[in-house]
Amino acid sequence: EPEVTQTPSHQVTQMGQEVILRCVPISNHLYFYWYRQILGQKVEFLVSFYNNEISEKSEIFDDQFSVERPDGSNFTLKIRSTKLEDSAMYFCASRPTRTAQETQYFGPGTRLLVL
Amino acid sequence: SQQGEEDPQALSIQEGENATMNCSYKTSINNLQWYRQNSGRGLVHLILIRSNEREKHSGRLRVTLDTSKKSSSLLITASRAADTASYFCATEGSSNTGKLIFGQGTTLQVKP
Repeated sequence: EPEVTQTPSHQVTQMGQEVILRCVPISNHLYFYWYRQILGQKVEFLVSFYNNEISEKSEIFDDQFSVERPDGSNFTLKIRSTKLEDSAMYFCASRPTRTAQETQYFGPGTRLLVL
Repeated sequence: SQQGEEDPQALSIQEGENATMNCSYKTSINNLQWYRQNSGRGLVHLILIRSNEREKHSGRLRVTLDTSKKSSSLLITASRAADTASYFCATEGSSNTGKLIFGQGTTLQVKP
């Protein structure tokens, strides 16, 4: 069964450094998402992406964040200058269409630790 | 409170018993979904119920949706130790971007 994959599974970085989190969505999916989950808290929406542009973003997704689909398979989240509070699990998700009966398929996550 | 609030926050039951988790939300929705998360792991989709549906079944799972009360419940029947996990409801609104708003989750422990 096709899966969403994410790399790396864990990333440790110093405050102020740039990180790029990578995702490979399911191949025939058109809608892509990033969410994050701070330890012990709920999952929060960051951004949705369709047709090579952001379709919606949350207040969390400020100028330090960017997303890109550099080729036909990868979907990346870049954090330009990491802060301590960016430490969280980051989940990528995809779905084939935007109809109401479609589910989102989540990747296993990247655990980011900012020191 | 925020969109997608679950109760109880934690639930501990014996194997074989039924587990019921509730979710409330505030705004209009296209659908409501339930996800499961094992400790520190990814999110596994369990079931989706559309706003025009009232009840849905999948194996040992039963989900109800009451749009007049803006609430949903997830029932797991004949629970097993392997059902131990956190369960989240997530609502998809009418923005057409597919954005999901998650609740705080219910941590379920099933004792063997």
